[in-house]
Amino acid sequence: DIQVTQSPSSLSASVGDRVTITCRASQNIDTYLNWYRQKPGKAPEVLIYAAISLHNGVPSRFSGGGSGTDFTLTISSLQPEDFAIYFCQQSYRTPWTFGRGTKVEIK
Amino acid sequence: EVQLVQSGAEVKKPGESLTISCRISGYIFTSSWISWVRQLPGKDLEWMGRIDPIDSYTYYSPSFQGHVTLSVDKSTSTASLQWSSLRASDTGMYYCAKRHCDNTACYFDYWGQGTLVTVSS
Repeated sequence: DIQVTQSPSSLSASVGDRVTITCRASQNIDTYLNWYRQKPGKAPEVLIYAAISLHNGVPSRFSGGGSGTDFTLTISSLQPEDFAIYFCQQSYRTPWTFGRGTKVEIK
Repeated sequence: EVQLVQSGAEVKKPGESLTISCRISGYIFTSSWISWVRQLPGKDLEWMGRIDPIDSYTYYSPSFQGHVTLSVDKSTSTASLQWSSLRASDTGMYYCAKRHCDNTACYFDYWGQGTLVTVSS
């Protein structure tokens, strides 16, 4: 299985801060990397697909980067609704695998 | 509006059987694969497998192969996840998710609200 390792596992930040989360795949996955946000008590929702593409309706403060094995999710200015858990997921090869999540908490 | 509506929370004993469901509306049921994803109490997400509603072709993650069964009912646009013998380690939240693919990627664009399964003696 392809392992995806996220870091950090948690971070504290304030509204308006710029935040970057990283995801590293255990092998080259080209750009087959997606990012999801999970708000408390809710299902995950897709933010970024194919490493850099913003899903319909997702605010432009979210951006993705990377290819191969190293990827980033950046939130340019944290909003109150962004305090949540973020997951990366590879869709290069089954079984599809997720990172272990990054919890973004209020400082 | 695309909706995936899952059945309600379940409390079961080890060894019991269980089927949970995911009723789909708002798009052509046979146009997209449905996956199931487990979220453990500690928050980890695990992809369990997927089913093609056209022909019920399934692919299971090796971690779940032989322990769960995926199925669909095209007449009711419903996908189901079944266990014949539950274990305490099956406790978790289960999500159905619709797969979207285009020229660049595949990802889950719609999710059910989740079904909490608790297995305890």
